[in-house]
Amino acid sequence: GAVVSQHPSWVICKSGTSVKIECRSLDFQATTMFWYRQFPKQSLMLMATSNEGSKATYEQGVEKDKFLINHASLTLSTLTVTSAHPEDSSFYICSAREGTGESQPQHFGDGTRLSIL
Amino acid sequence: KQEVTQIPAALSVPEGENLVLNCSFTDSAIYNLQWFRQDPGKGLTSLLLIQSSQREQTSGRLNASLDKSSGRSTLYIAASQPGDSATYLCAVRRSNYKLTFGKGTLLTVNP
Repeated sequence: GAVVSQHPSWVICKSGTSVKIECRSLDFQATTMFWYRQFPKQSLMLMATSNEGSKATYEQGVEKDKFLINHASLTLSTLTVTSAHPEDSSFYICSAREGTGESQPQHFGDGTRLSIL
Repeated sequence: KQEVTQIPAALSVPEGENLVLNCSFTDSAIYNLQWFRQDPGKGLTSLLLIQSSQREQTSGRLNASLDKSSGRSTLYIAASQPGDSATYLCAVRRSNYKLTFGKGTLLTVNP
């Protein structure tokens, strides 16, 4: 089946540093990738949608200068949390949509737990 | 604005029991509905996807139904096992392929 690989799985860093998270579709081409954020015992909240070769579309309330998204190829999207602060600590999950058909499901990565000290 | 609600928030059952998880959504104009499983600290595993034109989908011991007009879906798990313990998430697909998730039901199956 379709596999989405997310790296790193866990990162701890100091406040003020920038952190990059990678999301790769291993055995399919993903024209669209999605980035979600999940707080403990809460649902996944969509942060942004990225299409290969174009700028990401951010959801209302998500700072585009804070969360930089790059979708440079059909198999790789990156999320960079710039100048991270403790309130950015969360579980970040990416997903990728296989193909362009209306009925195609989204495949999810295993998530990245980000802890900012 | 689409809202997805899952009931109950948590459920604990003995092994072997059949159980039903509920999901409701406020806007019936959906493309499809998907049930996922999430293990602690992990990503999501897709269990079943029901297109808006379908009434149900089955996979092994799992059966999901969809009543789009009433904004409801159920996930039925037969003969539950301890390995079924996880959080089950329901998500509906809006336009532009965006998913709206519920908060999930935390299922514990006791041996």
